[in-house]
Amino acid sequence: AQSVTQLDSQVPVFEEAPVELRCNYSSSVSVYLFWYVQYPNQGLQLLLKYLSGSTLVKGINGFEAEFNKSQTSFHLRKPSVHISDTAEYFCAVTYNFNKFYFGSGTKLNVKP
Amino acid sequence: GEEVAQTPKHLVRGEGQKAKLYCAPIKGHSYVFWYQQVLKNEFKFLISFQNENVFDETGMPKERFSAKCLPNSPCSLEIQATKLEDSAVYFCASSQSYGRGPSPTSQPQHFGDGTRLSIL
Repeated sequence: AQSVTQLDSQVPVFEEAPVELRCNYSSSVSVYLFWYVQYPNQGLQLLLKYLSGSTLVKGINGFEAEFNKSQTSFHLRKPSVHISDTAEYFCAVTYNFNKFYFGSGTKLNVKP
Repeated sequence: GEEVAQTPKHLVRGEGQKAKLYCAPIKGHSYVFWYQQVLKNEFKFLISFQNENVFDETGMPKERFSAKCLPNSPCSLEIQATKLEDSAVYFCASSQSYGRGPSPTSQPQHFGDGTRLSIL
């Protein structure tokens, strides 16, 4: 079975500061990894995905994530955040593209 | 359409009543997924369809919950005899047809804005 852990439920950060949102997963098989963002009263929007190849993945809005197989992690980073990045971020994994397993989410609160 | 359309946006039902939620996937997407998000916690997978066929229903509660995807109609998720704990936001997602792994055209799921179900 697969599972996803996002240890930080909330991350406060000042505008223009760097941020890292942590995601760890467990799986007995190879998985594919995703980060989604959810703005208030909206569905999930894909930020980036790791399927294969380079372990450093770049996504939209200046976000990037690095897949680390030995540490079973897929942490999301942004070197300089904006107020508009305030949202909830979900890490997700799948091994067959049929069922996605989501973490419990991390609320990013960017302060001026 | 270009977006997954879920209706209604909000649905209020008294305990014991029936609730029915609808989802129109993106045109050309063969897979539809339903998720339940309770109190902003993690998304719980309910069921997936490949066209009108149930693909994976391992997340569906055995009682009271049912879902359909019929040709030329929006997909639906129906809850009979609702309970207070059914209160949640129900998200629908769709994706293109693909095999059992990634390909150059593999697409993750595209989500609708959800239906907020409140059971009173």
